[in-house]
Amino acid sequence: RKEVEQDPGPFNVPEGATVAFNCTYSNSASQSFFWYRQDCRKEPKLLMSVYSSGNEDGRFTAQLNRASQYISLLIRDSKLSDSATYLCVVKQREYGNKLVFGAGTILRVKS
Amino acid sequence: DAGVIQSPRHEVTEMGQEVTLRCKPISGHDYLFWYRQTMMRGLELLIYFNNNVPIDDSGMPEDRFSAKMPNASFSTLKIQPSEPRDSAVYFCASRTGGGNYGYTFGSGTRLTVV
Repeated sequence: RKEVEQDPGPFNVPEGATVAFNCTYSNSASQSFFWYRQDCRKEPKLLMSVYSSGNEDGRFTAQLNRASQYISLLIRDSKLSDSATYLCVVKQREYGNKLVFGAGTILRVKS
Repeated sequence: DAGVIQSPRHEVTEMGQEVTLRCKPISGHDYLFWYRQTMMRGLELLIYFNNNVPIDDSGMPEDRFSAKMPNASFSTLKIQPSEPRDSAVYFCASRTGGGNYGYTFGSGTRLTVV
């Protein structure tokens, strides 16, 4: 079983739609959680950290459920520019500062 | 801040040749990571350094791969001899210790071994 699992998609949605991505992780000792965004042929970039209480950044909302080992990302009012691959990322305490990346979920927002 | 700087951006080489990838982390960042990304395997951590010391190299695929960090502002990843299956995008990333912060990635080196 992979340490971090995501639905690869693609998710094809119209502009203005709300879309949600889910991610599960296998190691219950995981310590920190992030969502990264990666555009085609570019490097991954930090989108947002995920906190236990849930957090919001503009149109983006991230949630963490430690009991279920589940992380989510909600994007409201999708824009064409949101088209990218969204990577779920986990840091595990026993592995120091190593981040483990999911394979990513592809989002395509269409006009 | 110039960000994490990698060179070269693209490298095409013949099988059997030595390849050296370079990385300059963000000044003040004391962790440096080398990742490899392929369609089949996604992003894989190869090795990471803390204060120039290699901490975990368990992701280095085999002895053909080696990495060094002679000082806080420079690291290299070397493949010798290179093979076609090494073709991938190699990313370097850096971060400061502590806190709930992610990494900053460089633009990557796209390696093609023919």
